[in-house]
Amino acid sequence: AQSVTQLGSHVSVSEGALVLLRCNYSSSVPPYLFWYVQYPNQGLQLLLKYTSAATLVKGINGFEAEFKKSETSFHLTKPSAHMSDAAEYFCAVTMNTGFQKLVFGTGTRLLVSP
Amino acid sequence: GAGVSQSPSNKVTEKGKDVELRCDPISGHTALYWYRQSLGQGLEFLIYFQGNSAPDKSGLPSDRFSAERTGGSVSTLTIQRTQQEDSAVYLCASSQTSGNQYEQYFGPGTRLTVT
Repeated sequence: AQSVTQLGSHVSVSEGALVLLRCNYSSSVPPYLFWYVQYPNQGLQLLLKYTSAATLVKGINGFEAEFKKSETSFHLTKPSAHMSDAAEYFCAVTMNTGFQKLVFGTGTRLLVSP
Repeated sequence: GAGVSQSPSNKVTEKGKDVELRCDPISGHTALYWYRQSLGQGLEFLIYFQGNSAPDKSGLPSDRFSAERTGGSVSTLTIQRTQQEDSAVYLCASSQTSGNQYEQYFGPGTRLTVT
């Protein structure tokens, strides 16, 4: 079975500061990993995904994540936070064979202060 | 193009009533998924359709929950005899096919409140 753990239900940064949202996964087989963002009263939007190609994945809005097998991590980063980045972020995992449901972490709410 | 749409956007119902939630996937997407987002349980998978069949219903929490998909397009999630613990946001997603590398596109959700 797969699972993901997101450390920190809330992360606060100042505008212009580095954003780091942590995600660790557990999977018995090579996983596919995703980061989704959810703005208030909206559905989920895919930021980026890892599907066993490059370990450093670049996504939309300047976000990127690095797959580190040795650390079972897939942390999300952005060099400089913008006010519009304030949202809830979900890490998700699935297996890379057949269909398996997306298993989501509990989410991290990013707060950006001016 | 048009994204995934869901209706209604909000639904308030009395305990014990039945409700139907609708999902219109992106045109041409053969895979469709239902998830539930609640404060206590986070984001949970409910059911997956490939075409009109549902190979995985493992996330449906009880036999009060059912879903169908017709014409390989629209899907309806039905909750019978609603309970207060059914209050949540129900999210629908679709993807080109069922391969896990394909992005799931999410709709805005239906917020269900059971009073």
